[in-house]
Amino acid sequence: GAVVSQHPSWVICKSGTSVKIECRSLDFQATTMFWYRQFPKQSLMLMATSNEGSKATYEQGVEKDKFLINHASLTLSTLTVTSAHPEDSSFYICSADRGGAWNTEAFFGQGTRLTVV
Amino acid sequence: AQRVTQPEKLLSVFKGAPVELKCNYSYSGSPELFWYVQYSRQRLQLLLRHISRESIKGFTADLNKGETSFHLKKPFAQEEDSAMYYCALRAGGSEKLVFGKGTKLTVNP
Repeated sequence: GAVVSQHPSWVICKSGTSVKIECRSLDFQATTMFWYRQFPKQSLMLMATSNEGSKATYEQGVEKDKFLINHASLTLSTLTVTSAHPEDSSFYICSADRGGAWNTEAFFGQGTRLTVV
Repeated sequence: AQRVTQPEKLLSVFKGAPVELKCNYSYSGSPELFWYVQYSRQRLQLLLRHISRESIKGFTADLNKGETSFHLKKPFAQEEDSAMYYCALRAGGSEKLVFGKGTKLTVNP
């Protein structure tokens, strides 16, 4: 099956610094990728839709200046958590859709555990 | 707005017993419904979708528009079925998936 890879798998950073998380579709092109956040024992919450070559679409309540998304190519989207604070500590997951109108399937990355200290 | 409800956080059954994971949705149009599974230390992956109407790993799910449900069923649970199961909905014309909170299934020997 298709593979979506995230890097890094985990990261620890100091409060106030910025962290970049990469999401790559390894064997297919994705014009759209999605970024989710998952709190412990809770569901995936969609943060934003990343569109290749254009601005990301953020969900209500997500600060676009804090969570910068760049989708510069058909195989790479990046999420940068700027001026990170301990409350940004979470599990971040990306996904990319593959397929046509009737058989679109979302493929997920393995997730990135961010800990802000 | 679309919403997916999985009423059970935890579900525990014995090996060989039938299992049903409940999923109800709220959406006025025609949705696409999915079940995703996350095994321990693995990424989220698609288990099945209502459009394909197939059985995967012995699991089936039928879309009931009258009850707005998409329950996941398996007649004889196996230990390897232990995992987190998420029901998800995609509204017509949208690319976004809306997830339920998930049900942790444990199949005991």
